[in-house]
Amino acid sequence: EAGVAQSPRYKIIEKRQSVAFWCNPISGHATLYWYQQILGQGPKLLIQFQNNGVVDDSQLPKDRFSAERLKGVDSTLKIQPAKLEDSAVYLCASSSKGASGTSYEQYFGPGTRLTVT
Amino acid sequence: AQTVTQSQPEMSVQEAETVTLSCTYDTSESDYYLFWYKQPPSRQMILVIRQEAYKQQNATENRFSVNFQKAAKSFSLKISDSQLGDAAMYFCAYRSAMAGGGADGLTFGKGTHLIIQP
Repeated sequence: EAGVAQSPRYKIIEKRQSVAFWCNPISGHATLYWYQQILGQGPKLLIQFQNNGVVDDSQLPKDRFSAERLKGVDSTLKIQPAKLEDSAVYLCASSSKGASGTSYEQYFGPGTRLTVT
Repeated sequence: AQTVTQSQPEMSVQEAETVTLSCTYDTSESDYYLFWYKQPPSRQMILVIRQEAYKQQNATENRFSVNFQKAAKSFSLKISDSQLGDAAMYFCAYRSAMAGGGADGLTFGKGTHLIIQP
């Protein structure tokens, strides 16, 4: 079974530029999560999708961050314009849900390391 | 909102010895899940062990076991017979089982860097 795929693995941009990250979840996983992991901290949830709908985006800085999952499969996270404090690893995870609605384990991708200079 | 606290930024243990990583959490919910994740330098988060809050029995996975104290809101990880491959960042995480609308993102602690001395 293929794992969660993310690209690019690394990205360096200047502040005020735009950047996009891509995630392809494990086949059949309806739930997709984006996390931000700043150096020295644990990951923080940015947004959760269930199929192509947003379940939770309460911690997403909506003035500069956006995310979509148009066909309920792969997803894109965009930052526009980037700030220095956006330097972090962006992790994508996916999970399936049982018939009762209980989520199973979240499987993580390798992450994208973003450096904003 | 839930919070997860890991008070040990770094721990060191001799190979083949046992080490315990600490985690405390704060929540007003009665139903939730707790996890320990391992993150090696490759950055890939790997699930080590999970505990359902409604289960009194502590979870075990081979050399990994937890001490879950629900009343004290404590969830420590014990690694027995430590191996060089266990060296990594370890994160404690909380997930609600009661959130409305299916919101079940993880809340992580800051992590503990585990060093294995050969």
